[in-house]
Amino acid sequence: GAVVSQHPSRVICKSGTSVKIECRSLDFQATTMFWYRQFPKQSLMLMATSNEGSKATYEQGVEKDKFLINHASLTLSTLTVTSAHPEDSSFYICSARPLSSSNEKLFFGSGTQLSVL
Amino acid sequence: KNEVEQSPQNLTAQEGEFITINCSYSVGISALHWLQQHPGGGIVSLFMLSSGKKKHGRLIATINIQEKHSSLHITASHPRDSAVYICAVRWRGGADGLTFGKGTHLIIQP
Repeated sequence: GAVVSQHPSRVICKSGTSVKIECRSLDFQATTMFWYRQFPKQSLMLMATSNEGSKATYEQGVEKDKFLINHASLTLSTLTVTSAHPEDSSFYICSARPLSSSNEKLFFGSGTQLSVL
Repeated sequence: KNEVEQSPQNLTAQEGEFITINCSYSVGISALHWLQQHPGGGIVSLFMLSSGKKKHGRLIATINIQEKHSSLHITASHPRDSAVYICAVRWRGGADGLTFGKGTHLIIQP
């Protein structure tokens, strides 16, 4: 089946530093990738929708200058948390929709647990 | 505000029991997904529904578009089914991303 690789799985960083998270579709091309955030004991929340070759669409309340998304190819999207603060500590997870799919199954990365000290 | 409600929030059952998890949503949708999230956080897509019923192994998912309700059933439950089950919808006429329920934490005891 389709595989989405997400790295790193866990990162601890100091406040003020930037963290880059990668999301790769390993065996399919994805025109659209989604980035989600999940705080403890809360539901997943969509942060942004990333389309290859164009600017990401951010959900209301998500700062585009803080959460930089780059979708430079059909197999790679990156999320950079700039100047991270403790309140950015969360579980971040991506999903990808295959090029050949319309509304069918999504494939998720394994997630990144970010802890900002 | 468009919402997705799941019940129950927590469910503990004995191995072999028939499990039902429910999902209700507030307005029309173009698709509904059932997802499984394991303790490490990884998420697996179980089903995508727009109408009717789907079956995969011991899992069955149904949706009633008129009543805005979907159910996920697990037959002959097993401890390895223990996970968080999440209902997520794509709103009709809305953006591409999903709105998620809070999940149902299922524990199957041997």
